[in-house]
Amino acid sequence: GAVVSQHPSWVICKSGTSVKIECRSLDFQATTMFWYRQFPKQSLMLMATSNEGSKATYEQGVEKDKFLINHASLTLSTLTVTSAHPEDSSFYICSASSSSPPDNNEQFFGPGTRLTVL
Amino acid sequence: DAKTTQPNSMESNEEEPVHLPCNHSTISGTDYIHWYRQLPSQGPEYVIHGLTSNVNNRMASLAIAEDRKSSTLILHRATLRDAAVYYCILRDPDRGSTLGRLYFGRGTQLTVWP
Repeated sequence: GAVVSQHPSWVICKSGTSVKIECRSLDFQATTMFWYRQFPKQSLMLMATSNEGSKATYEQGVEKDKFLINHASLTLSTLTVTSAHPEDSSFYICSASSSSPPDNNEQFFGPGTRLTVL
Repeated sequence: DAKTTQPNSMESNEEEPVHLPCNHSTISGTDYIHWYRQLPSQGPEYVIHGLTSNVNNRMASLAIAEDRKSSTLILHRATLRDAAVYYCILRDPDRGSTLGRLYFGRGTQLTVWP
């Protein structure tokens, strides 16, 4: 299957700072990328969907000014957590999909980024 | 979005078959049934998916009921590496409003005993 990477794999930051997480599709062009958040012992929660070259679509209850998403190319999307606070500490996971066969919108997930805000 | 219902947890012994059930009574005709699994501290991993017919791949088999209101993921010989949370998700890749988004439920925590 297709490979998706995330960087960094973990990050610790001070409260009030901003953190950028990168998501890359390594061997295919991702027309759509998705960002999820997962708190301990809970399931993945979809945060937003982004298509290359257009604004991201955020799920209800997710602050678009807090979680900035940029999908500037077919292989890279970034999530920036602005003015992070301890409650933003979570496991952030991206996925990527291609509209081209044979993948046909199948989602391939990255390994996740563990964010800890002190 | 069509919802799925899975048991919170299941257990198995190593090298025994495991049948993970999923109920999806409100499935629509265009929904595919997808299974993903997530190992601790990792992103989800695709397992298998199907529409109407049973499916087999190197990881598992998917048995879909004739009325499509339920399905079963079958691991033929469980290994310790199969211990994970298994998610059954309905997905319509062409539905305009969701464009193939995945909405994860709680899934089934599979424990495999040596």
